[in-house]
Amino acid sequence: SQKIEQNSEALNIQEGKTATLTCNYTNYSPAYLQWYRQDPGRGPVFLLLIRENEKEKRKERLKVTFDTTLKQSLFHITASQPADSATYLCALPSTSGTYKYIFGTGTRLKVLA
Amino acid sequence: DTGVSQNPRHKITKRGQNVTFRCDPISEHNRLYWYRQTLGQGPEFLTYFQNEAQLEKSRLLSDRFSAERPKGSFSTLEIQRTEQGDSAMYLCASSPRGIATGELFFGEGSRLTVL
Repeated sequence: SQKIEQNSEALNIQEGKTATLTCNYTNYSPAYLQWYRQDPGRGPVFLLLIRENEKEKRKERLKVTFDTTLKQSLFHITASQPADSATYLCALPSTSGTYKYIFGTGTRLKVLA
Repeated sequence: DTGVSQNPRHKITKRGQNVTFRCDPISEHNRLYWYRQTLGQGPEFLTYFQNEAQLEKSRLLSDRFSAERPKGSFSTLEIQRTEQGDSAMYLCASSPRGIATGELFFGEGSRLTVL
């Protein structure tokens, strides 16, 4: 069955450094993948979508890569700031053929000042 | 604010009681989703509507859970005979029509605590 893995351990990083988060998936070949940000007690907020034919996508300080051979997406935040501290979720469309999305467990990022 | 609205934001109930949550999606979004999230986990799919039709329901969802979306506008999620294991954040999201890869717009969630 479709499975998504994100590092469940929190990632602590010094302000100004680049944070890199990983999303691995198995038993599936998605046409695209999404990344969301979630703050404590709030709903997730969409950040970026990357398609299978796109190797890389950028938005301001954010960069997402998509390696369909490795079945992996990497999410980078450059020049990280304490305000970037949050949980980051990856989401893939379901194999069921509907518009259902399956989410990973998320990785909690803490940027230290 | 024309985002996704969920009510109530917090609900504390005793085991065995019924609870109902309401979600008002972004206007003209034809797809509406319910997810459940527990601490340290990602959102878990519960059910999904396209307009008023409930197109998919998670096999993990017991018969105590029911959702409706009359007239294809707001939606309600009812949990009957609540159990302590139902304690979670219930998230509603909507997505616009015509966009196959459309992002999900989430509400702030309804947190349920079952005592």
